[in-house]
Amino acid sequence: DTGVSQNPRHKITKRGQNVTFRCDPISEHNRLYWYRQTLGQGPEFLTYFQNEAQLEKSRLLSDRFSAERPKGSFSTLEIQRTEQGDSAMYLCASSQTAVGPQHFGDGTRLSIL
Amino acid sequence: GDSVTQMEGPVTLSEEAFLTINCTYTATGYPSLFWYVQYPGEGLQLLLKATKADDKGSNKGFEATYRKETTSFHLEKGSVQVSDSAVYFCALAENTGGFKTIFGAGTRLFVKA
Repeated sequence: DTGVSQNPRHKITKRGQNVTFRCDPISEHNRLYWYRQTLGQGPEFLTYFQNEAQLEKSRLLSDRFSAERPKGSFSTLEIQRTEQGDSAMYLCASSQTAVGPQHFGDGTRLSIL
Repeated sequence: GDSVTQMEGPVTLSEEAFLTINCTYTATGYPSLFWYVQYPGEGLQLLLKATKADDKGSNKGFEATYRKETTSFHLEKGSVQVSDSAVYFCALAENTGGFKTIFGAGTRLFVKA
């Protein structure tokens, strides 16, 4: 069990640029979740995959956000035309069963200049 | 929708003091309840969980009991240590649909030697 891996750890970009984050879940986990965490707050749910199927999306996920999980393994989260308000820690989690617990990666911290 | 409310921090205690962090929830269904901990510079880790009413989760000297009648899941520890200094998040996971996890805002604990 190597844990959930997220890359990159930090991303600094100019407003208006596109960014893509990657998450590699624990290998036998078929459920994968993306969350966003801002300073002083708990993680907020963004989207959820069961295998390759994206089953739920939060209304927080605007049209500029897209997530994929091809082949039900790793997942990517892309943000297009980044805005200042996108600055946050983006967390990925995976679980083996429907009711968790979820195992979290260390996150990707996004800073928009 | 479902939500989690936990006491605001920071909470500052002396070593060996008794700790209580209050957590209440609202849920339309019958969720599982969790406490996660985030140590400085580290990712979220599951601390303990409870899946049904009157269940008591425990780990590392921490305990929390699932109280359906008061919709609460308060975290307690009889004698805190400096190494317990961290941010503690109460969370619930739906047992239907997407099974996403909803987090409280977190409570920062400082323990002084």
